Amino acid sequence: QKEVEQDPGPLSVPEGAIVSLNCTYSNSAFQYFMWYRQYSRKGPELLMYTYSSGNKEDGRFTAQVDKSSKYISLFIRDSQPSDSATYLCAMSASRGGSNYKLTFGKGTLLTVNP
Amino acid sequence: NAGVTQTPKFRILKIGQSMTLQCAQDMNHNYMYWYRQDPGMGLKLIYYSVGAGITDKGEVPNGYNVSRSTTEDFPLRLELAAPSQTSVYFCASMGRRGTGELFFGEGSRLTVL
Repeated sequence: QKEVEQDPGPLSVPEGAIVSLNCTYSNSAFQYFMWYRQYSRKGPELLMYTYSSGNKEDGRFTAQVDKSSKYISLFIRDSQPSDSATYLCAMSASRGGSNYKLTFGKGTLLTVNP
Repeated sequence: NAGVTQTPKFRILKIGQSMTLQCAQDMNHNYMYWYRQDPGMGLKLIYYSVGAGITDKGEVPNGYNVSRSTTEDFPLRLELAAPSQTSVYFCASMGRRGTGELFFGEGSRLTVL
């Protein structure tokens, strides 16, 4: 079993749709969970950051973590064409320091059609 | 505000050639990383550094070397290029406080023919 599993899609939705992106993981040591957004031919940029279980909301974006199920989600409400990008989940066991390493999912390619 | 700068953006190499991908950051970050991204495969860590003079291997270090003589620069050296090294390479950095946020460069696309 891979450490982090993410459905690569591609996912195509109409403008205004609610989008759900998901990752599962096997390493119970993971405590910090992130979503990065990567536009075509650009580097990833941090979108959401959560610690342990629970929800975090930022505008149209909501990140959910369920550590009991080893499952994380990113919801996008009222999706816009500008949301078209690849979304990568990432997670780590520590917040920082010399042992800090992120484990990434493969990324899900999302297209929002006008 | 430059952030993380990578050069070159594109390069074509012949099998067996060598080259260096340059990475520089102007945020005074201690931690720097090199990842490769293959289509549908996510990001794989090649090497990382926790400060000047200190480097360590990541998941996929074979065929690569790094050095970190200054806080700002973290070059990645490819020796004897192979077609399997065709990929997009990303350099990233993170501050000492360890917020967990990596700042990425725009990537270097390498093709080995």
